[in-house]
Amino acid sequence: DVKVTQSSRYLVKRTGEKVFLECVQDMDHENMFWYRQDPGLGLRLIYFSYDVKMKEKGDIPEGYSVSREKKERFSLILESASTNQTSMYLCASTGPRGPQHFGDGTRLSIL
Amino acid sequence: AQTVTQSQPEMSVQEAETVTLSCTYDTSESDYYLFWYKQPPSRQMILVIRQEAYKQQNATENRFSVNFQKAAKSFSLKISDSQLGDAAMYFCAYRSPLTGNQFYFGTGTSLTVIP
Repeated sequence: DVKVTQSSRYLVKRTGEKVFLECVQDMDHENMFWYRQDPGLGLRLIYFSYDVKMKEKGDIPEGYSVSREKKERFSLILESASTNQTSMYLCASTGPRGPQHFGDGTRLSIL
Repeated sequence: AQTVTQSQPEMSVQEAETVTLSCTYDTSESDYYLFWYKQPPSRQMILVIRQEAYKQQNATENRFSVNFQKAAKSFSLKISDSQLGDAAMYFCAYRSPLTGNQFYFGTGTSLTVIP
């Protein structure tokens, strides 16, 4: 089975901090994704990557950046955290066909 | 961009009964993939069932089945013999083989199972 691991389930940070969310997958998938999930809004795509060092903006990239230095790892970076970035963050990966596989999610609170 | 619509924010079903969750999508493509995901309170998104558009036969996974109507662009999920463990958020998702790296999700349906 595909395993997607997110580094933290819960994270509390302060306004203005630089925040790193890490995601690792073990299936050699080319494609990796970061979503934000808020009640009533479903999943909104922040960034995705289809190869090492490649990235594409999703629907809501403002205030975020990403890094993909190795195929198995995709990091989401909040450059200067703000309270409106308090949310659930989901990482996913997928091969060339078929479904996405998700991590457990990180519930991030910005105080 | 493709859009996926789940028009039922909340649904409820009696234990052991059957419930159908609706999903419609908008696309001009003829070949694509559709999925239903379940997200229980424990939060991990779990794949429930998948359907490839070129297959006419509706997918079935145990108590879960879909009614795929390609012309109507409809992809509903039927849960038979509902169990307490079926209570969760359910998301419908679309994947395009042309823009294969992107998935499009509906806003979800929250299913409550009444004992």
